[in-house]
Amino acid sequence: DAGVTQSPTHLIKTRGQQVTLRCSPKSGHDTVSWYQQALGQGPQFIFQYYEEEERQRGNFPDRFSGHQFPNYSSELNVNALLLGDSALYLCASSLTRTDTQYFGPGTRLTVL
Amino acid sequence: GENVEQHPSTLSVQEGDSAVIKCTYSDSASNYFPWYKQELGKGPQLIIDIRSNVGEKKDQRIAVTLNKTAKHFSLHITETQPEDSAVYFCAASRVGDTDKLIFGTGTRLQVFP
Repeated sequence: DAGVTQSPTHLIKTRGQQVTLRCSPKSGHDTVSWYQQALGQGPQFIFQYYEEEERQRGNFPDRFSGHQFPNYSSELNVNALLLGDSALYLCASSLTRTDTQYFGPGTRLTVL
Repeated sequence: GENVEQHPSTLSVQEGDSAVIKCTYSDSASNYFPWYKQELGKGPQLIIDIRSNVGEKKDQRIAVTLNKTAKHFSLHITETQPEDSAVYFCAASRVGDTDKLIFGTGTRLQVFP
């Protein structure tokens, strides 16, 4: 049974560029949440997708957007990258918005 | 706003000793409290969780206690082993409402052989 997978593993971008990160949820899970983890800090909630719609959003600007596909996989898009966007981006999946969230290995984004 | 405080930020113990990490949450509507272990270069791994209708839960060497009145919850690791060395995060959420996890700032646990 595959767990949560994310791609790519690492990514280097320059300021002003755009980036797309991808996530495949754990088998049987239909809800995907995205978190940003800055170095030395706990993960911060970005948004959650369920039934292909954004259900909740944390305190992140509109430069952060996402999508969920019919197979429950998800994408996180960040436009107009800033240096401060450098972080580990984590995807977590759960079953129909129940409590237990399982995390993927993350995508390390570096903005130069 | 919603906040979770976690202490200590670093903890060093000798192999075989116990380790305790404490968290305090601000949102009285929180009803679900998971603990995650994060090793270097990896995503957080769920190690134990507790819901607000339970005061204590144990899984082998790991236990979690919850005091709803004081809005405190703690992770207890007994008989620590070097492979327990990692960063541990507590979190809180309102299941069935917002669902988002609010994380603490993490505790770096080092277990010395």
